[in-house]
Amino acid sequence: DAGITQSPRHKVTETGTPVTLRCHQTENHRYMYWYRQDPGHGLRLIHYSYGVKDTDKGEVSDGYSVSRSKTEDFLLTLESATSSQTSVYFCAIMGQGKGSYEQYFGPGTRLTVT
Amino acid sequence: DQQVKQNSPSLSVQEGRISILNCDYTNSMFDYFLWYKKYPAEGPTFLISISSIKDKNEDGRFTVFLNKSAKHLSLHIVPSQPGDSAVYFCAASPQTGANNLFFGTGTRLTVIP
Repeated sequence: DAGITQSPRHKVTETGTPVTLRCHQTENHRYMYWYRQDPGHGLRLIHYSYGVKDTDKGEVSDGYSVSRSKTEDFLLTLESATSSQTSVYFCAIMGQGKGSYEQYFGPGTRLTVT
Repeated sequence: DQQVKQNSPSLSVQEGRISILNCDYTNSMFDYFLWYKKYPAEGPTFLISISSIKDKNEDGRFTVFLNKSAKHLSLHIVPSQPGDSAVYFCAASPQTGANNLFFGTGTRLTVIP
C-alpha cells in the first residue's frame, strides 16, 4: 500500500463545468502523476510533478491543468469539462527505493461528463 | 501513435497451465519495463519489472523476459491460478527525468478453474 488516496471516487458533472480531482499521498514521494484510462488506449499520462510547484505536461495534457502546493497533494483540474474527458483517472507516485522506477497507483476516480 | 503494444486483447488459460502475455515496443529509448495487473474498480498493481541490462527477471510464479533486439517482452505466469484473472498492462520507461511510463492497451487474462 503506497498510501495514495483519490477524491472523489466517482463524479458526474455537466459539460462546461469546472472539476477538480485530488490525489493525496502520505509518504513524502517527490514524483506524482495523473493518468487517464480509456478503452483501446491503456493508461495515458496527463501531467506529472517532480516537486512542490514543479509540474510538466504529459501525452494528453490539453484541457487539463495541475497544481502542487504541498508535497502530499496533487490536484488535477478540468477548467471546462467536455464529454471527451469522461474517463477513469488514476494518480500515481514513483517508488523511492534505490534503482526503483516503479509507479504505484491510487484507486482511481470515475468521471462522467454529461 | 502507440509506442507500446499488446496485440492480444484477451487470453484464456486452464488453471495450473502457463499463461504467456506478450508486449512489443517501438521506441529504442525505452530501457525499463514493467508489468501491472488490474482488477475492476481498482488501480493498477505493480507486478514485476526488468531493466534493459537483463534478459530475465523472476519473482515467484511470475517471470518477465526481454528481447531487446526484437523490442519484445513477455510475462510468464506458472502455474496460473483463478485469482490471476485480471487485465495485465505492459509499460515502458526511458528511465530519464521523471521516468514517465508508456502503457500498452492491456490483455485480459481469464484463468479457467
